[in-house]
Amino acid sequence: DGGITQSPKYLFRKEGQNVTLSCEQNLNHDAMYWYRQDPGQGLRLIYYSQIVNDFQKGDIAEGYSVSREKKESFPLTVTSAQKNPTAFYLCASRLVPNTGELFFGEGSRLTVL
Amino acid sequence: AQSVTQPDIHITVSEGASLELRCNYSYGATPYLFWYVQSPGQGLQLLLKYFSGDTLVQGIKGFEAEFKRSQSSFNLRKPSVHWSDAAEYFCAVGVTGTASKLTFGTGTRLQVTL
Repeated sequence: DGGITQSPKYLFRKEGQNVTLSCEQNLNHDAMYWYRQDPGQGLRLIYYSQIVNDFQKGDIAEGYSVSREKKESFPLTVTSAQKNPTAFYLCASRLVPNTGELFFGEGSRLTVL
Repeated sequence: AQSVTQPDIHITVSEGASLELRCNYSYGATPYLFWYVQSPGQGLQLLLKYFSGDTLVQGIKGFEAEFKRSQSSFNLRKPSVHWSDAAEYFCAVGVTGTASKLTFGTGTRLQVTL
């Protein structure tokens, strides 16, 4: 079945460490997105990519980095520069970059100890 | 920039009762609108979407929503709620041709009592 796979589901990190969250899709979608979700704040856009080898900052990109070397993959690195990284991270994709609905993965919960 | 307001943080309804979740958006042009549902610790699932045409849209799980341009609203409704509908609901707005992102509301948590 087609879909979006995020891994790991749960991740613990010590302060000062970088971590990378994986996002893979087999939907053949052009555009991919990373959102951060905190209680009471809805979803906030971190980064998005409309085509391979291109990506743009979203609303809260500081302390994060991404790459888009393959159409199906869009990993997110949470760097030590991110001051409050504990959150639920959601990856999404959509067929056409500028329109249509988003399809979401199951999310990754990052906890900084 | 577009924005979305979901004024109700938490709603409790009895099983079998009707439901209406409110969503108001702010944008000058005609947006496209979505409702998503999220169970705890899970991703978001699309319930329904509005792009154009008939302002009353039907979705999955018996949900519907009505786009009212004059009120800048896109409220979600269900005539009879089931206990399995307990979840968090998000309204989202986007505009075709712009910077490719959707803006989400802060969500409404639905609790269903038996």
